[in-house]
Amino acid sequence: EVQLVESGGGLVQPGGSLRLSCAASGFTFSDHYMDWVRQAPGKGLEWVGRTRNKANSYTTEYAASVKGRFTISRDDSKNSLYLQMNSLKTEDTAVYYCARASYSSSWYLDYWGQGTLVTVSS
Amino acid sequence: AIRMTQSPSSFSASTGDRVTITCRASQGISSYLAWYQQKPGKAPKLLIYAASTLQSGVPSRFSGSGSGTDFTLTISCLQSEDFATYYCQQYYSYPRTFGQGTKLEIK
Repeated sequence: EVQLVESGGGLVQPGGSLRLSCAASGFTFSDHYMDWVRQAPGKGLEWVGRTRNKANSYTTEYAASVKGRFTISRDDSKNSLYLQMNSLKTEDTAVYYCARASYSSSWYLDYWGQGTLVTVSS
Repeated sequence: AIRMTQSPSSFSASTGDRVTITCRASQGISSYLAWYQQKPGKAPKLLIYAASTLQSGVPSRFSGSGSGTDFTLTISCLQSEDFATYYCQQYYSYPRTFGQGTKLEIK
């Protein structure tokens, strides 16, 4: 069974930093691209970014709203995905989901974690 | 960025109804479109990918169609567990983008 479990959320002041983790199990983590998607309270889904797999040099993509502030990384030996968030703004307040991407002509998101809440407030 | 526009944003229906949700892309995305269902306090769940391919385990009352810029999600016979919010997402180009969501409520 595919499982994705996020952790690391919490309350942080504007300008602060936070690191989210996502523990994966039930599949060969190293084969898959992995994404972060967020959802502000009462709002829709917003794609944050992606890390590709080793075969694609672990390259990354980011949404314009987080580029230069957020960094996505992974540790295939630990089946873990990370999101380092720096220079946090109040508008970064959201539930953050990690999601697995699978391939069928292109990479689509097929499994999501339960999410972790990040609140940016003074 | 490609803009995804869903319609309607919300609507009410009854169990047993056939409902259709539309998603329009601001430029052509071939068939690189997915549909997700989200219930309150829960993670999104994949229903359809490649515009019309049903994800394993998803009931056959869900179906998707379209290519290019216009797509639809159809639920053939609404069940009580289908009342939720539905999102489309394009995975043709970066940044990936979602529609604003369609909230399906019980009439």
